[in-house]
Amino acid sequence: KAGVTQTPRYLIKTRGQQVTLSCSPISGHRSVSWYQQTPGQGLQFLFEYFSETQRNKGNFPGRFSGRQFSNSRSEMNVSTLELGDSALYLCASSLSLATNEQYFGPGTRLTVT
Amino acid sequence: KQEVTQIPAALSVPEGENLVLNCSFTDSAIYNLQWFRQDPGKGLTSLLLIQSSQREQTSGRLNASLDKSSGRSTLYIAASQPGDSATYLCAVNVPDNFNKFYFGSGTKLNVKP
Repeated sequence: KAGVTQTPRYLIKTRGQQVTLSCSPISGHRSVSWYQQTPGQGLQFLFEYFSETQRNKGNFPGRFSGRQFSNSRSEMNVSTLELGDSALYLCASSLSLATNEQYFGPGTRLTVT
Repeated sequence: KQEVTQIPAALSVPEGENLVLNCSFTDSAIYNLQWFRQDPGKGLTSLLLIQSSQREQTSGRLNASLDKSSGRSTLYIAASQPGDSATYLCAVNVPDNFNKFYFGSGTKLNVKP
């Protein structure tokens, strides 16, 4: 069974631009969560989607948004990029049962210059 | 708010040594605790998942224990190998959203040949 895939793997953008990242969960998984990882803040929860609905959101500004499609694939968008948005963005998928494991993708490394 | 702490932040041991990594969390009302491994610049690999009703889980040379009442978990690695060198992260999820995980800042392990 294929794992979680994320595209692109690396991205360089300039301040003020916007970016869209994509995540394809493991087949059959219906929940997709997004995390931001930085050296200073560690791993921080962005949001989670299940059946095309956002179920929970972390403490990030409205510039961060996401969506999920009917095939469970998810995208996250960051508008008006700032230098501080440089990070590794990770998505995780699960079957969305309380006892199930989270499986992470390899991440997208975003650099904002 | 749930807070997760991992001690030590870094650990360097000679090959073959048994070692223990510690994780503590402030709110004992958790669903699961999951241990992950992260290699530099890569995504997270799930190592062990302990459900809140369980006391421990084992996989190969790894053993994780959970004491909910005291808010602690330990990851025991037996007969460490250079290939075990990585950052180890623990994470817990919470009753109001079991797909939202709170992560510790990790323990960076270096196993010297």
